[in-house]
Parts: sequence; C-alpha cells; structure tokens
Amino acid sequence: EPEVTQTPSHQVTQMGQEVILRCVPISNHLYFYWYRQILGQKVEFLVFFYNNEISEKSEIFDDQFSVERPDGSNFTLKIRSTKLEDSAMYFCASSPGLLAEQFFGPGTRLTVL
Amino acid sequence: DAKTTQPNSMESNEEEPVHLPCNHSTISGTDYIHWYRQLPSQGPEYVIHGLTSNVNNRMASLAIAEDRKSSTLILHRATLRDAAVYYCILRAIYNQGGKLIFGQGTELSVKP
Repeated sequence: EPEVTQTPSHQVTQMGQEVILRCVPISNHLYFYWYRQILGQKVEFLVFFYNNEISEKSEIFDDQFSVERPDGSNFTLKIRSTKLEDSAMYFCASSPGLLAEQFFGPGTRLTVL
Repeated sequence: DAKTTQPNSMESNEEEPVHLPCNHSTISGTDYIHWYRQLPSQGPEYVIHGLTSNVNNRMASLAIAEDRKSSTLILHRATLRDAAVYYCILRAIYNQGGKLIFGQGTELSVKP
C-alpha cells in the first residue's frame, strides 16, 4: 500500500540554523500539506501546496518558512532560522482530491536547542 | 470553521463496542463530518466521513443525527491497537485548500 514517507525521523539543530524537512508524498496525489504538533498540543495546519504554489497558509507559516516541490516527487519544508518554539513534530500529508482523505507521513521530530 | 466538541477521554474494554460522540451544533449544510485518529507517536490517520447518512467501512461506522448537530463514531470491537486520539473534524465543501482543523480530540484507552 502506498504511503507518505518523511526524512529524517528526528532532526536536532541549533537555534538560528536552517533546516529542511523532506517528504515523499504518494505518487498520484495532487494536494500537499504540512502540519505541526508541539508536544502535548493539537495538530496545527501550516500550509497547503497545489499546482506548484502555496494555495493557503496559516499565521504560523511566516516568512521564515518556505515549501518546495523541487523534482515532482519530493516536497520540502524549510525553516530559515530556527527558533526554540519551532521544536515540534512536523507532518507532511498528501491527498488525491481537495476533500478526499489526507494521508499523513510518520512525522519528523524537530528539536531546536 | 464550525466547531466540534468531544469528551477529553474515554475508556473501553477490549472486544467491546465503543461509541465516541461529537457535537457540532453550528454545522452548516455544506459541512462533511470527518473522523481521523492518531495512534501514539504516529501521524493522523483517516477513519471515516459522511454528510447526512450513516456510513460504514472496514474500520468503523459513523452514525449521524437526523439534525446533523451530532455524530457518533462506532468501533464495533475495540482492540488494543485502537487506543488513540480520535478527532471529529468538519470540512466545508467550499473549504479553501481542504485543510484539516484539529481540535483536542478524545483520547481512547482500551483495557485488556
């Protein structure tokens, strides 16, 4: 069964460093999302990406964040200058249709020291 | 986005049915009712969704009240693997981007 994969599973970085979180969505899906979950809190929407551009983003997704689909298979989330409060689980999701079910990856745990 | 209200936690015994309630009194006619769950240390996982009629799939059943102001997710025989946080989410047909808005959900524990 196809699945969404994410790498790395755990990333530790120093405050102020850039990180890139990688995702491989399911191959025939067209809609791509990033969510995050701070420890003990609810899952929060970050960004929706479709047709090679951001279609919607949340207030969390400020100019320190960017997304890219560089090669038609990978989908990346970049944080330019990490802050302590960026420490969270980051989940990638993809979907074949706008209101279809979303398939989530296992997440990347980002720890900012 | 219309809000949902769920109990913070519920307990069940293994192999017994579980009924997880969700209130959504401000639901609009164009809102679908979706359920996702999140197993420990995993990403959320789709369970089921419906609009007006009750729905069944291999994982669960969804019972929707006639006035659509509440719904119940039914796990027919809980297993230890069903211990998770269950989220009831409303998604409008015209939801820009199809984003999921998660609440706190119901943490289901299953006792052997």
